[in-house]
Amino acid sequence: DSGVTQTPKHLITATGQRVTLRCSPRSGDLSVYWYQQSLDQGLQFLIQYYNGEERAKGNILERFSAQQFPDLHSELNLSSLELGDSALYFCASSGQRGYSPLHFGNGTRLTVT
Amino acid sequence: DAKTTQPNSMESNEEEPVHLPCNHSTISGTDYIHWYRQLPSQGPEYVIHGLTSNVNNRMASLAIAEDRKSSTLILHRATLRDAAVYYCILRANSGGSNYKLTFGKGTLLTVNP
Repeated sequence: DSGVTQTPKHLITATGQRVTLRCSPRSGDLSVYWYQQSLDQGLQFLIQYYNGEERAKGNILERFSAQQFPDLHSELNLSSLELGDSALYFCASSGQRGYSPLHFGNGTRLTVT
Repeated sequence: DAKTTQPNSMESNEEEPVHLPCNHSTISGTDYIHWYRQLPSQGPEYVIHGLTSNVNNRMASLAIAEDRKSSTLILHRATLRDAAVYYCILRANSGGSNYKLTFGKGTLLTVNP
């Protein structure tokens, strides 16, 4: 058990809809990362937050947004969903040092029909 | 991010040692070498990391070349549960709080009974 909790585990929705994925980091971790994994793209970094502030941005679409709340949990919002957004979405958290490992949750599997 | 090169796949027999190589010729002096693995249908899992010296933990050993341009992850006795994709990643430690990991394609390890 990594200590990172992601909800929901599965999500099925239709094109054009909006969904919110939730992540609770390990106790004490201030950094939260979001990754997308699809069959043809591998693990793609989307965005990182550190203590409520955005720290790094990867290949995140404009239709996607995220935030980290004062209690350090994070939410990833996906809107105007397309079939190609179907993927596994992973959240990870880490401590404050550059060598601190990332601890990943078990992911949310999003299916857009 | 500095790039790593790993074989696409490797095969091993159960209870034999496995040496997973990684080349990172453009590594900078402050980059940590991290290894993660991803079992089927799970999030990536931290295995080990190092900077200059060889490292051991309960999961594996990490052997780092003297010039730091390559490293080897060593599983001392492979089990069927070690079958996974193994990722070698360089993680910058240049200060600040941007410590994202950039995943490549990794090495798919198959363990034969």
